[in-house]
Amino acid sequence: GENVEQHPSTLSVQEGDSAVIKCTYSDSASNYFPWYKQELGKRPQLIIDIRSNVGEKKDQRIAVTLNKTAKHFSLHITETQPEDSAVYFCPSSGGSNYKLTFGKGTLLTVNP
Amino acid sequence: DAGITQSPRYKITETGRQVTLMCHQTWSHSYMFWYRQDLGHGLRLIYYSAAADITDKGEVPDGYVVSRSKTENFPLTLESATRSQTSVYFCASSGLGAQETQYFGPGTRLLVL
Repeated sequence: GENVEQHPSTLSVQEGDSAVIKCTYSDSASNYFPWYKQELGKRPQLIIDIRSNVGEKKDQRIAVTLNKTAKHFSLHITETQPEDSAVYFCPSSGGSNYKLTFGKGTLLTVNP
Repeated sequence: DAGITQSPRYKITETGRQVTLMCHQTWSHSYMFWYRQDLGHGLRLIYYSAAADITDKGEVPDGYVVSRSKTENFPLTLESATRSQTSVYFCASSGLGAQETQYFGPGTRLLVL
């Protein structure tokens, strides 16, 4: 089955700095790469996604880049703010139509 | 987000009791999912459903039963609760399964004593 590894497991930055979280997947059939954000005590919510035919996608301060050759994709957050503090997940579908395999998440803390 | 709800939001039960967690969505999404979230494990898929009357196991199905007689409802039953099933349970729905946005419910916190 699909194996997703996420690094780092924790990340602490100062407000205004950039943050980068990287995910490595194993199944070359994976073709959809979403990022979910989960604030403390809340539900996970999609913040950005990318498909395999696109190398990069941006939405204001967040961006996702995909390297299919190396089988990894990364979340980039610029000008971080305290409200960016959350756990971020990078599930991979491995080409499946139904199953998302989630990593253990990255706890991002943005210090004011 | 208001289109997917879970009940109860909090539940305390005892070992051996049967517990049913409810999930309801108003979007007529075909796909529905149940996940559990535990510290150190991220989110793990318990069961999923591709349509009414079509369900299948995920990563951690043991001790759980699901049904889907109507598109909008996807209840999860713990037939005989165990302490290891203490967790936060999230229901999610999607129009196209794992290939597009999954919308999560608010979660149910379950404590098994």
